[in-house]
Amino acid sequence: GAVVSQHPSWVICKSGTSVKIECRSLDFQATTMFWYRQFPKQSLMLMATSNEGSKATYEQGVEKDKFLINHASLTLSTLTVTSAHPEDSSFYICSARVMRLAGPRGETQYFGPGTRLLVL
Amino acid sequence: SQQGEEDPQALSIQEGENATMNCSYKTSINNLQWYRQNSGRGLVHLILIRSNEREKHSGRLRVTLDTSKKSSSLLITASRAADTASYFCARVYNQGGKLIFGQGTELSVKP
Repeated sequence: GAVVSQHPSWVICKSGTSVKIECRSLDFQATTMFWYRQFPKQSLMLMATSNEGSKATYEQGVEKDKFLINHASLTLSTLTVTSAHPEDSSFYICSARVMRLAGPRGETQYFGPGTRLLVL
Repeated sequence: SQQGEEDPQALSIQEGENATMNCSYKTSINNLQWYRQNSGRGLVHLILIRSNEREKHSGRLRVTLDTSKKSSSLLITASRAADTASYFCARVYNQGGKLIFGQGTELSVKP
């Protein structure tokens, strides 16, 4: 159980276009989903926290208007990179917490497989 | 930076040897978690250790936690080539469950 999927797994786009990445919890409901960005050979940097039915909370330095997050249901969050530029090329990973679950499982985040974005 | 420190940054060992990775953090924690990431993939949760625990085992994995030193270690015993991956420690930042990751250790196990 606790499987998280991401779509697409990789995308190549031209500079200036927008790219939407979906994150789905397949077999559980997620109270909260998180979006991370990871550059090569680096750690994961949290971009934003996405709560179902409310606005996302962005980390310092992350542009809200550039990285649009929509958490429309308890199983789906989307990240849209608007007007993408080459410096937005990165590996984007989402994670989800299991809803209303006490103990270690409720504190564990389950990660999607990631989406590799290349902006030309 | 809120990120923890991990050392070593890279570790190369032979199959069968043990691998030890260390993680230090700066603020108090409720728990500390270890994750594994295969190249170009998502993260897999390995172990969660609570602040009132000192040691935890899962198969060939052993995690220790020293809250007085604000440090944790992950030991992989009898390593296999399939253990080759990056390993990250992470702590929960606040009640909202945000995870702050360490810099990671890139482990290479040579057959």
